[in-house]
Amino acid sequence: RKEVEQDPGPFNVPEGATVAFNCTYSNSASQSFFWYRQDCRKEPKLLMSVYSSGNEDGRFTAQLNRASQYISLLIRDSKLSDSATYLCVVNESVRGKLIFGQGTELSVKP
Amino acid sequence: GAGVSQSPSNKVTEKGKDVELRCDPISGHTALYWYRQSLGQGLEFLIYFQGNSAPDKSGLPSDRFSAERTGGSVSTLTIQRTQQEDSAVYLCASSLGRGEAKNIQYFGAGTRLSVL
Repeated sequence: RKEVEQDPGPFNVPEGATVAFNCTYSNSASQSFFWYRQDCRKEPKLLMSVYSSGNEDGRFTAQLNRASQYISLLIRDSKLSDSATYLCVVNESVRGKLIFGQGTELSVKP
Repeated sequence: GAGVSQSPSNKVTEKGKDVELRCDPISGHTALYWYRQSLGQGLEFLIYFQGNSAPDKSGLPSDRFSAERTGGSVSTLTIQRTQQEDSAVYLCASSLGRGEAKNIQYFGAGTRLSVL
């Protein structure tokens, strides 16, 4: 079983759509959780951290369920510029390294 | 301020040659990480530095791979006797260090290594 698993994708949605990405992680001791965004042939960039209480940043909402070891990202009112690969990332803080999911590709069409 | 800087941005080498990849972290960041991303693959952890020490080298794929960090700043990843399967994008990241908010990692643009 992979340490971090994501929806396989790709997701092809029209502008204005709401899209949800899901992710599960295997290590119950994981401490920190993130969503990163990676554009084609670019480096990953932090989109948002994910907290147990849930957090929102504009059109983006992230949720964490520690009991189910499940992380989600909701994007409302999709824009063309949201097209990218979204990476679910878990930090095993004792060792510091990030564990990345394989990523889910999102393509927003006009 | 300046982000994580990596050089070279692209490197083409012949099988069997040694290569050195450089990473200059964000000023003041004590933690530095190396990852690699092979074509169509996810990011794979290689090694982590806290200051000049490497508490976690568990991701280095073979003894041909080594890394060092000096002065708590610049790091060099060295691959000896390169093989074609070493072809990938090598990404460096840095973070402030320990603590929840301090462990957010910022990535450089990477070095794209092609081994012919």
